[in-house]
Amino acid sequence: NAGVTQTPKFQVLKTGQSMTLQCAQDMNHNSMYWYRQDPGMGLRLIYYSASEGTTDKGEVPNGYNVSRLNKREFSLRLESAAPSQTSVYFCASSESLAKNIQYFGAGTRLSVL
Amino acid sequence: AQKITQTQPGMFVQEKEAVTLDCTYDTSDPSYGLFWYKQPSSGEMIFLIYQGSYDQQNATEGRYSLNFQKARKSANLVISASQLGDSAMYFCAPDTGTASKLTFGTGTRLQVTL
Repeated sequence: NAGVTQTPKFQVLKTGQSMTLQCAQDMNHNSMYWYRQDPGMGLRLIYYSASEGTTDKGEVPNGYNVSRLNKREFSLRLESAAPSQTSVYFCASSESLAKNIQYFGAGTRLSVL
Repeated sequence: AQKITQTQPGMFVQEKEAVTLDCTYDTSDPSYGLFWYKQPSSGEMIFLIYQGSYDQQNATEGRYSLNFQKARKSANLVISASQLGDSAMYFCAPDTGTASKLTFGTGTRLQVTL
C-alpha cells in the first residue's frame, strides 16, 4: 500500500552541492510530477512527465533537471544547490494527464545553507 | 494563465459544525476540473474531492462536498460535522485537463475547536 515513495525525507546541503531526489510510485500511473512548497504558499510545479520517456517544464524549472527513469521512477536533480532552493519538495503521480487526480508522496524537506 | 484565490487565510470552526472554505478561480479554459487537497501538520498532501467541469451535480465524498458555481467561477468546499482531525491546511486547484499544470491556491488553515 505504498503509493508514492520519496527519498530522502530530509536533506541539508551546502551551496553549490548537488543531489538527486528520488520518487517511485507503485500505482502503474503514467504521469508524474515534481512540486516545491515554500512557506505560506501553495505548491508550484517544477517539472512533469506525461508518460515514460517524456518530460516538460512547469512553472519554476530553473535550477532543476529531471529524469523519467522508467514508468515507476521520476527523479529531480539539483546540479548546484542555492539557498533559494530551500523548500519542501513533493512528488506526485496520476493515472494520466487527462485523469489528473494526483497522489502525493510525503515530501522531502531540503535546506541549502 | 490561471489565478486561484483562497481569500480566507485562516478559519475556526467548532467541532460538529459545518464550515465552508472559499475558492475562486480565473481561467479561460472551459474544460477544467477542480480539486481540493488537505495538508495536515504532518505535511503530506491528501486528495479530498474532485469536480469535473461538466458534472451535472456537485461532487460529494463523505463529509466533503463542493458548492460549484461555474458562472461565479467558484468551487467552495463544505465540510459537514467537523472533527478535530479536520484541522489542517486546505488547498484548491483547478485543472485545465490539457496542460496538467495543477496550480494551487495559497491555502486556508482550518482549526477545529472543542
